[in-house]
Amino acid sequence: GQQVMQIPQYQHVQEGEDFTTYCNSSTTLSNIQWYKQRPGGHPVFLIQLVKSGEVKKQKRLTFQFGEAKKNSSLHITATQTTDVGTYFCAGLRYGQNFVFGPGTRLSVLP
Amino acid sequence: GAVVSQHPSRVICKSGTSVKIECRSLDFQATTMFWYRQFPKQSLMLMATSNEGSKATYEQGVEKDKFLINHASLTLSTLTVTSAHPEDSSFYICSAKGGVAQHFGDGTRLSIL
Repeated sequence: GQQVMQIPQYQHVQEGEDFTTYCNSSTTLSNIQWYKQRPGGHPVFLIQLVKSGEVKKQKRLTFQFGEAKKNSSLHITATQTTDVGTYFCAGLRYGQNFVFGPGTRLSVLP
Repeated sequence: GAVVSQHPSRVICKSGTSVKIECRSLDFQATTMFWYRQFPKQSLMLMATSNEGSKATYEQGVEKDKFLINHASLTLSTLTVTSAHPEDSSFYICSAKGGVAQHFGDGTRLSIL
């Protein structure tokens, strides 16, 4: 079946440092979504990427979709304590439901 | 906008009890809702897709007679864990599809004694 992997599993950074999480699918995706789950909270939709090679930015967050539509990345510039949480990618294969990756837990030390 | 309400937030009950969890989209209609199970510090495992007016689609390995899903209206889906046992203890979370995004409820922490 379709597998969606994420690395790293955990990341501890000092406030102000950059952070990147990578998402890889075993199959070509129709599109990919990113979600953020704060500790004790529920996942919140961040963005959807559809086109090959697509890059989208949201303030300090930059999202990329690979040319082959099998991988994606989320980069946070100059992390803040409010960025703490688990970041999930969710890959959609044509005609199927989204499959969530295992997530990357980000800790930001003040 | 796009608020999903899930109730109850926490349930503690004895083994053998059936537990019903409700998932409501408050300000939008959702023809499709999803039910997930999330283990501590792990990802979301899709259990089933709930479609309004039709039978739910269950993922492989999920017992449909154990986890009964009803999606009677465009704003409400329910998950009933029948004859719950300690191994059913988990965090159950629903989402409703609104546009391209899934909007999640706050989840239900189920503890079976």
